[in-house]
Formats: sequence, structure tokens, C-alpha cells
Amino acid sequence: DIQMTQSPSSLSASVGDRVTITCQASQDISNYLNWYQQKPGKAPKLLIYDASNLETGVPSRFSGSGSGTEFTLTISSLQPEDFATYYCLQHNSYPQTFGQGTKVEIK
Amino acid sequence: EVQLVESGGGLVKPGGSLRLSCAASGFTFSSYSMNWVRQAPGKGLEWVSSISSSSSYIYYADSVKGRFTISRDNAKNSLYLQMNSLRAEDTAVYYCARDPASGSYYPDYWGQGTLVTVSS
Repeated sequence: DIQMTQSPSSLSASVGDRVTITCQASQDISNYLNWYQQKPGKAPKLLIYDASNLETGVPSRFSGSGSGTEFTLTISSLQPEDFATYYCLQHNSYPQTFGQGTKVEIK
Repeated sequence: EVQLVESGGGLVKPGGSLRLSCAASGFTFSSYSMNWVRQAPGKGLEWVSSISSSSSYIYYADSVKGRFTISRDNAKNSLYLQMNSLRAEDTAVYYCARDPASGSYYPDYWGQGTLVTVSS
């Protein structure tokens, strides 16, 4: 199985900050990497698919990059509604595996 | 509007069984692969199982293989998860999630989830 190592597990940031979250795969997954946002008590929401493609309706301050084993989610200017937990998911092969999550909190 | 509505969760004793359902609407259900993903209380997301549009391809996480069975009824626009031999560690919110139409295989749209609690 492919292991996904996400870091950091949590971070504190202020509105307007640039935030970066990384995910490392235990083997090459090409660009088969997605990013999801989850708010408390809600279902996850797809932000980025195939490493760098912005899902329809997602603000352009979110961006993704990477390929192979190293991936990054960047929020260019953190907004109040962005405080949430973020997960990466590899869909290169089954079983699909999620990272452990990154909780973005208000500083 | 795409809607996925899970039902069937509840409290069950260890070793018991439960069948989850997911009612789909707002899209052509028979054309999409579907998934179950779960989240234990206060924990991260865990992929559980996937089924192709025609049920030809089915996949399970090792943690549920042999105990859970995914199925679908395209005539009823419904997805199911039969859960047997339940354990305390199966306690979680179970989400039904759809794959995109593009031929890619990952959850793009999620239901709101149903809580399964396994406890004596």
C-alpha cells in the first residue's frame, strides 16, 4: 500500500498569510494526488485534483503543485473561511490512501 | 443538484451487522463509480471501498475485506454497504462519495455521512 505522509499536522496562521502544506508519497504516484478541505461536522470538499487542477468553484488562492512523490498545497492569502482541516489523497492505485490531515488554526 | 443521502447508521453491538444505504439524485447514477469513506471520531479520513458503475470492479481496504460488502442498484439509484462482524474500531461516520464522470477514480462529491457506533 502507498503511504501518504502529510505535514505539518497543524499550523497557526493569520488572515492574509501564505500557507503551505506538503504531502509525500511512499512511491511514485505520478500526478494522482488530490487535496480536500473539511470543516467541523461537514463532509470533505474537493479543492485540487490531479495535483494541480483547481476544482470548479474553488477560489484561485488555492493552488497545488508537485509530481512523483512530493506535493504541495498553497493558500496564497488565508481567509477566515479557510480555517479547516486539509487532507491529501493518492488515487494512483487501490487502496486509495489519505494523508493524516493538517489542521489550520487561527493565530 | 447532486445529492447523496446516507442512511442506516446507528448503534450496534460488537459482532453485529448493519447495512448502510446511499440514495443518489441529480445525476445519472448508473454512469458513475461510487465509494464509501469513513472517519472515526476525531480522526482522519479512511477509504473503505469502491465499486464501478456496472459493479464489474470492486475494491476494499484490508481493514474491512471479508467483513464488508459494497453493492449498488442502478435501477434504484442506490449504493449499499453491508457490514458484518462489526468491531469497535469500525465506529465512524461513513460517507458515500461519487467519482467524477471523467474516467478518473477519486471522490469528488460527498454525502453528509451517517454515524455507525459499535459498542456493547
